[in-house]
Amino acid sequence: GNSVTQMEGPVTLSEEAFLTINCTYTATGYPSLFWYVQYPGEGLQLLLKATKADDKGSNKGFEATYRKETTSFHLEKGSVQVSDSAVYFCALSDPGGGADGLTFGKGTHLIIQP
Amino acid sequence: DTGVSQDPRHKITKRGQNVTFRCDPISEHNRLYWYRQTLGQGPEFLTYFQNEAQLEKSRLLSDRFSAERPKGSFSTLEIQRTEQGDSAMYLCASSVHRGNTDTQYFGPGTRLTVL
Repeated sequence: GNSVTQMEGPVTLSEEAFLTINCTYTATGYPSLFWYVQYPGEGLQLLLKATKADDKGSNKGFEATYRKETTSFHLEKGSVQVSDSAVYFCALSDPGGGADGLTFGKGTHLIIQP
Repeated sequence: DTGVSQDPRHKITKRGQNVTFRCDPISEHNRLYWYRQTLGQGPEFLTYFQNEAQLEKSRLLSDRFSAERPKGSFSTLEIQRTEQGDSAMYLCASSVHRGNTDTQYFGPGTRLTVL
């Protein structure tokens, strides 16, 4: 079956530090990959996505590249801000593999200190 | 777009009672999804509709759970004879299905507490 593995949190960084949150996946078909963010007390918001190998998704300074050879979709940001503190979820959809619903990782709690 | 809305935002109930949640998707989105999220975990897929047809159900969706989308617009999720293990955040998402890809937009969720 499909699965998503994210690095365990919490991840604590100082403001302006470089961020990487690792995400690897297993899928039976050719999945689309997503990063969602959940701010305290709020619902999930789509951060970025990539639908095929070598695509790069980007938004709000965050980037992730779909790497089929390593089955990875790592999230990066060059300089984090306190306002980036949230829980980040990596997810995939694999309709070609019979799974239209999203499969999520467990989430990575990011804490940015001033 | 007004976004996906869910009602109620919070529900506290006693074990054994029935509860019903409502989701209003983004207008003209033809797909609607239900997920469950427990503390410290990612959301888990429960079921989804394309228009009014329920196309997929997870094994997580026991026979105490039923979902409907009678007119292809809003949806309801009912849990009968609630158990303490049903306590979770129930999330709804909607999308426009095009080709082999769709992007799901989530509502704020309904937090269920079963006492």
